[in-house]
Amino acid sequence: QSVLTQPPSVSGAPGQRVTISCTGSSSNIGAGHDVQWYQQLPGTAPKLLIHGNSNRPSGVPDRFSGSKSGTSASLAITGLQAEDEADYYCQSYDSSLSGCVFGGGTKLTVL
Amino acid sequence: QVQLQESGPGLVQPSQTLALTCTVSGGSISSGSYYCSWIRQPAGKGLEWIGRIYTSGRTSYNPSLKSRVTISVDKSKNQFSLMLTSVTAADTAVYYCARDWPGTTNWFDPWGQGTLVTVSS
Repeated sequence: QSVLTQPPSVSGAPGQRVTISCTGSSSNIGAGHDVQWYQQLPGTAPKLLIHGNSNRPSGVPDRFSGSKSGTSASLAITGLQAEDEADYYCQSYDSSLSGCVFGGGTKLTVL
Repeated sequence: QVQLQESGPGLVQPSQTLALTCTVSGGSISSGSYYCSWIRQPAGKGLEWIGRIYTSGRTSYNPSLKSRVTISVDKSKNQFSLMLTSVTAADTAVYYCARDWPGTTNWFDPWGQGTLVTVSS
């Protein structure tokens, strides 16, 4: 059971917009700790997509955007492409656990 | 461009110690503050943060693993190391090292390619 809750799967057709939620609590996201998002393509290491809730590292397409509100965060992907098919993880810090925590991951399927 | 590469035995016997090394290339970890985290992922499952080390030597560990984990740094070799004692089958996973960036909440970038460690007799 992950500290941060993500839907196990989401799907969308090419060109569509999808969102992936990450729900936490008052000891992590709700405590003001930032949220990061990672993309893990099949058989590869995770790659940073978003840091500090909404900041994209250089090289990450602006089709990817992040937001945070209250005890939750969201990753939005617009103009869905086949190569976006991957697992996506959110990450934050939990004050009660005194450590970094990840969501359980969401598998994105491009129909 | 900084790259990280994990290395170590792919098979460890139960109750023994898992020892992995993370070699950093494309930059010196001695130049300024440099943080490294270890993260693992059992097959088909999610990510679990193991712990981090600063080049000053200060460490921070996942409380659930703290009693068994030691992370160290060798600046002369541009390497970080992970030791996990008293391993069981539950420790079988792909182990990643990643550069750890301090912020309001730390983030990890880039990641090594990962190394699979199987705990089995």
